[in-house]
Amino acid sequence: GENVEQHPSTLSVQEGDSAVIKCTYSDSASNYFPWYKQELGKRPQLIIDIRSNVGEKKDQRIAVTLNKTAKHFSLHITETQPEDSAVYFCAASIRVGTGNQFYFGTGTSLTVIP
Amino acid sequence: EPEVTQTPSHQVTQMGQEVILRCVPISNHLYFYWYRQILGQKVEFLVSFYNNEISEKSEIFDDQFSVERPDGSNFTLKIRSTKLEDSAMYFCASSPQVFSQPQHFGDGTRLSIL
Repeated sequence: GENVEQHPSTLSVQEGDSAVIKCTYSDSASNYFPWYKQELGKRPQLIIDIRSNVGEKKDQRIAVTLNKTAKHFSLHITETQPEDSAVYFCAASIRVGTGNQFYFGTGTSLTVIP
Repeated sequence: EPEVTQTPSHQVTQMGQEVILRCVPISNHLYFYWYRQILGQKVEFLVSFYNNEISEKSEIFDDQFSVERPDGSNFTLKIRSTKLEDSAMYFCASSPQVFSQPQHFGDGTRLSIL
């Protein structure tokens, strides 16, 4: 099955700096890659996603890049703010029959220091 | 904005008892999911459901688990003969289509097995 690895597990940055979180996946059949932000005790919230036919996607301060050949994708947050502090999960989705499975990374705890 | 709702928010149960976790997906969504997140760990896929049947399930989703859509609005996860290791946060999610569509998560049910 699919294996998603995520690095780093913790990340501290100064407010205003950029943060980069990287994920790799093993199954080339994966073709949808969402990123979720989870604040303590709350639900995962989708912040950005990318499909396998796209190499890069940007939404204001957040961007995601995908390298299908190398099987890795990254989340980039620019001009970080204290409210960006949370755990971020990447995921890879494989379509199987009429359904699909989502495989999550182990999460990155991001702390933005004011 | 429509949301996925889950009840109860916290369920405490004695080991060996059965529990039913309830979810009301977003009304026009067709695909439903259950996930588990053990405290401090990553989100794990349990099962996806479409057209009143399971479309995909993970290795975690063994005979102890079952899902049902009893009345066209609720989506339930039943855990029979609960074990201590079933203690976790259980998230329900729904999406309008199965493939490459963002999932909307509920707030989760924290299940504590004593």
